[in-house]
Amino acid sequence: DAGVIQSPRHEVTEMGQEVTLRCKPISGHNSLFWYRQTMMRGLELLIYFNNNVPIDDSGMPEDRFSAKMPNASFSTLKIQPSEPRDSAVYFCASSLRQGTDTQYFGPGTRLTVL
Amino acid sequence: SQQGEEDPQALSIQEGENATMNCSYKTSINNLQWYRQNSGRGLVHLILIRSNEREKHSGRLRVTLDTSKKSSSLLITASRAADTASYFCATAPDTGRRALTFGSGTRLQVQP
Repeated sequence: DAGVIQSPRHEVTEMGQEVTLRCKPISGHNSLFWYRQTMMRGLELLIYFNNNVPIDDSGMPEDRFSAKMPNASFSTLKIQPSEPRDSAVYFCASSLRQGTDTQYFGPGTRLTVL
Repeated sequence: SQQGEEDPQALSIQEGENATMNCSYKTSINNLQWYRQNSGRGLVHLILIRSNEREKHSGRLRVTLDTSKKSSSLLITASRAADTASYFCATAPDTGRRALTFGSGTRLQVQP
């Protein structure tokens, strides 16, 4: 069984550029989560989708961040324009039904903004 | 602010010893989960304990939950060098439409 798939695994970009991170959840899972992890702030929930609908986006830091889930098998997290403080590891996770279920994490995307 | 807070932040033990990590939280929960993260990898689910359960076992893992004290502990028995990782507790609220809230983690180092 394929787990949660994220791409790219590593991204290096310059300040001001647009960055798009991609996630494919586990087939049949109805909830999808985007997290950001840094040494300073730990693991932060950015946004949570259920049945492709954003349920909680209170963790999205600012308008530069946007997330979409056009269908049950694909989601994107976009940062435009990117800033050096956005450098972090971004994880996507999915769960079978709802936000309180066991979550399955992808390998993460390490983003470096120069 | 973090719902779950792990204690200690870091723990170093010898192989074969037991490792105990604690998690405290603030609000009512539906369940509490423990996850493990190896360096450079995503989190992996270890065990889930529901609010009406007091203890649960899985292999060398033992989790306890005390809802009156709003705390949980994770015990790893007979630790191995391969157990070296960060361990996170995550709390699931019993109301609303929120998702899990993760603590800041305990970094465990098992010396061979």
